[in-house]
Amino acid sequence: GQQLNQSPQSMFIQEGEDVSMNCTSSSIFNTWLWYKQDPGEGPVLLIALYKAGELTSNGRLTAQFGITRKDSFLNISASIPSDVGIYFCAGQWDYGGATNKLIFGTGTLLAVQP
Amino acid sequence: DTGVSQDPRHKITKRGQNVTFRCDPISEHNRLYWYRQTLGQGPEFLTYFQNEAQLEKSRLLSDRFSAERPKGSFSTLEIQRTEQGDSAMYLCASSFRVGVYNSPLHFGNGTRLTVT
Repeated sequence: GQQLNQSPQSMFIQEGEDVSMNCTSSSIFNTWLWYKQDPGEGPVLLIALYKAGELTSNGRLTAQFGITRKDSFLNISASIPSDVGIYFCAGQWDYGGATNKLIFGTGTLLAVQP
Repeated sequence: DTGVSQDPRHKITKRGQNVTFRCDPISEHNRLYWYRQTLGQGPEFLTYFQNEAQLEKSRLLSDRFSAERPKGSFSTLEIQRTEQGDSAMYLCASSFRVGVYNSPLHFGNGTRLTVT
């Protein structure tokens, strides 16, 4: 199935560092979402973006919807050990209500050393 | 807890057996989705329902797979004659749509299927 390009694949950082990851697509989307998944659990929604150029924050997380509508990035500031997990971007093209399935990225594994 | 609920959490079955999973969406959500996730990959779309109508099916959904949502509330996903390649996490998600507004998808904790 189709998956979006997400980078980096993995990051190993020290507690307190900032983190940046991004996601690109060959198709345009009108919604970008970022999820976090812990082992054995389902993805949990972090941030939703609905407009090109939109910048949205959720606590220490900030995400942007790229101007071209083909990319998005997620920043985590001052990382803490509980930020550990796999982060997924997901794009959605919802045209006239025909479908709103999400296409997911390949994931970024984040490990935080205390 | 009013999130998406999936049952069972884990299922081990022998090749060739049939299995059925259940998903209970968030109660006010009218859309329900099934995704499959294999190790190291992001979730991949299988199918979705709006109320009781199945509106789209992925090519990943072979004829051994069938999903139902008979009363527009809970859904079941059945896999017949399981194969080892069916081993994966099966995720259910739900959302609310009215007019052109879509709420984001909220996922359950999945059913981990192992086919031996």
